Amino acid sequence: EDQVTQSPEALRLQEGESSSLNCSYTVSGLRGLFWYRQDPGKGPEFLFTLYSAGEEKEKERLKATLTKKESFLHITAPKPEDSATYLCAVQGSGGGSYIPTFGRGTSLIVHP
Amino acid sequence: GAVVSQHPSRVICKSGTSVKIECRSLDFQATTMFWYRQFPKQSLMLMATSNEGSKATYEQGVEKDKFLINHASLTLSTLTVTSAHPEDSSFYICSARVLAIREQFFGPGTRLTVL
Repeated sequence: EDQVTQSPEALRLQEGESSSLNCSYTVSGLRGLFWYRQDPGKGPEFLFTLYSAGEEKEKERLKATLTKKESFLHITAPKPEDSATYLCAVQGSGGGSYIPTFGRGTSLIVHP
Repeated sequence: GAVVSQHPSRVICKSGTSVKIECRSLDFQATTMFWYRQFPKQSLMLMATSNEGSKATYEQGVEKDKFLINHASLTLSTLTVTSAHPEDSSFYICSARVLAIREQFFGPGTRLTVL
């Protein structure tokens, strides 16, 4: 069974204070690791897909990295508008169903 | 691109009535659509997976006779909550995917309140 653990559960930062969110996973045959951002009362917004260890992707102040056991979402010089819950999901090939497994998320609050 | 819409965004109904939620992929054809339920400050709970033209596959513990899912076309899936009760009140979110190994795109969600 695929498993995803995100840490920390909650993170408070001052504006400009860089940090990283962690997503540890176990999966049978990784087919993709996904990062999403979710604002309160809205559906998740797609950020990144990573397919293999060593891969990195960037978007504005966000950078996602991937190893064989975990992924990090690095936030550089965050702004208050980066406050949201960040979700990580993995998709393996076990059983052929290709159904992603989501973590519980990290709630990020950036104070001005 | 990759926009998914849901309608309605919010619905309030009386106990015992049925509610239909529509999920549409606006600019792509979705081979697979997912329906999730989310309680306050909790993560997504997958309810069912549906492929166009096929019966939905429900997760363990989800009543298929209560949560009817129809995926009639590559751009439309519907979730009908039959004989809704207050415990069905929740935030329902759909998502759509083009290929099995690719990311999902989520709709904005539907807030259901059953009185």
